[in-house]
Amino acid sequence: AQSVSQHNHHVILSEAASLELGCNYSYGGTVNLFWYVQYPGQHLQLLLKYFSGDPLVKGIKGFEAEFIKSKFSFNLRKPSVQWSDTAEYFCAVNPDSWGKLQFGAGTQVVVTP
Amino acid sequence: KAGVTQTPRYLIKTRGQQVTLSCSPISGHRSVSWYQQTPGQGLQFLFEYFSETQRNKGNFPGRFSGRQFSNSRSEMNVSTLELGDSALYLCASSGGTRYQETQYFGPGTRLLVL
Repeated sequence: AQSVSQHNHHVILSEAASLELGCNYSYGGTVNLFWYVQYPGQHLQLLLKYFSGDPLVKGIKGFEAEFIKSKFSFNLRKPSVQWSDTAEYFCAVNPDSWGKLQFGAGTQVVVTP
Repeated sequence: KAGVTQTPRYLIKTRGQQVTLSCSPISGHRSVSWYQQTPGQGLQFLFEYFSETQRNKGNFPGRFSGRQFSNSRSEMNVSTLELGDSALYLCASSGGTRYQETQYFGPGTRLLVL
């Protein structure tokens, strides 16, 4: 079945550490890729997106993601996290250009001071 | 621009009742999608409406339905509520060209079924 996989369900790290969250998808063909973040008590917010072009995309709050087509991956990175990055992160794929997103299970990230 | 708004924010119902949730998209957005978020199943797509037509549908029973009005506002309805329908229901609106649509989410309606 077509799916979106996020490798880590929980990540705990200290401030200033680097963060990398993995995301793999199993759809063939052209897809649009997204990372969303859900801070405690807040709604889902768009971090970044990839449609085409440069496979390294930059988003808000210092986040970036790299699309590797051959690996069906779209990994999220941040060089130095802050306590305020504590949140749940979701990878999402739009496989058919209509308004349907397939989400990964999410990764809960806790950044300790 | 104002963001996506959803009403009500919280709702408590009992089994067997029905419920209607409302979503107002970002001004100018014509597509509205609905999702169910639960701890066990995560975020699951319910359906999408574009120009008052259902354009895409997820794998939910027929008790879940929706509609869209000419001003792009959307409602979803759940009939004969079950305990398992307790969830956060999210609405997202999107604009842009067909192959570059980005969805923006509202705060959700938290439904508790007793």
